[in-house]
Amino acid sequence: SQQGEEDPQALSIQEGENATMNCSYKTSINNLQWYRQNSGRGLVHLILIRSNEREKHSGRLRVTLDTSKKSSSLLITASRAADTASYFCATPGNSGNTPLVFGKGTRLSVIA
Amino acid sequence: DVKVTQSSRYLVKRTGEKVFLECVQDMDHENMFWYRQDPGLGLRLIYFSYDVKMKEKGDIPEGYSVSREKKERFSLILESASTNQTSMYLCASSSGRLYNEQFFGPGTRLTVL
Repeated sequence: SQQGEEDPQALSIQEGENATMNCSYKTSINNLQWYRQNSGRGLVHLILIRSNEREKHSGRLRVTLDTSKKSSSLLITASRAADTASYFCATPGNSGNTPLVFGKGTRLSVIA
Repeated sequence: DVKVTQSSRYLVKRTGEKVFLECVQDMDHENMFWYRQDPGLGLRLIYFSYDVKMKEKGDIPEGYSVSREKKERFSLILESASTNQTSMYLCASSSGRLYNEQFFGPGTRLTVL
């Protein structure tokens, strides 16, 4: 089944810097979602971007989608220590009404 | 707020035991999912259900079964636990299409000795 692939696998930045994570996927999608997971906890939905959207904002989060390149990026501006978590992209399965497929995630560490 | 709860945060079982992991959601969602999460492998879908008494295999159903007798409850069953089933188990629910936004429980870390 299709799987989004996040890049980089791990990212370490200083508090106040911006963090950018990327996701690439293989086949056409109708939406792409980003989730966050704090250590040892469940995932929390951050944002959904539809295939006809190019950019979406939510607070300090900015998500872009380039369907021609089959890629998305998640930008966290002015990062805080509390943003330390793993971030996953998720896309629908290959066809029809199928469950989401999650990538392996980017582990973000924000150093105070 | 949507709430998805899982019966245990941590569980330790012995090889060969039958293990039940319970998941309950309070938002009347049609869809429920069970994943396992292992380092380096990400989330892998075990089983999902789109209605009461309906179940579908995910990517890694071997060694597991599920039960959905009521809309709010989705149980994962390990008939005979093995050490390679030591993992973090995550339950999620959603409404509408299967690829819509999912709401996750806190996870159960299962150790099989």
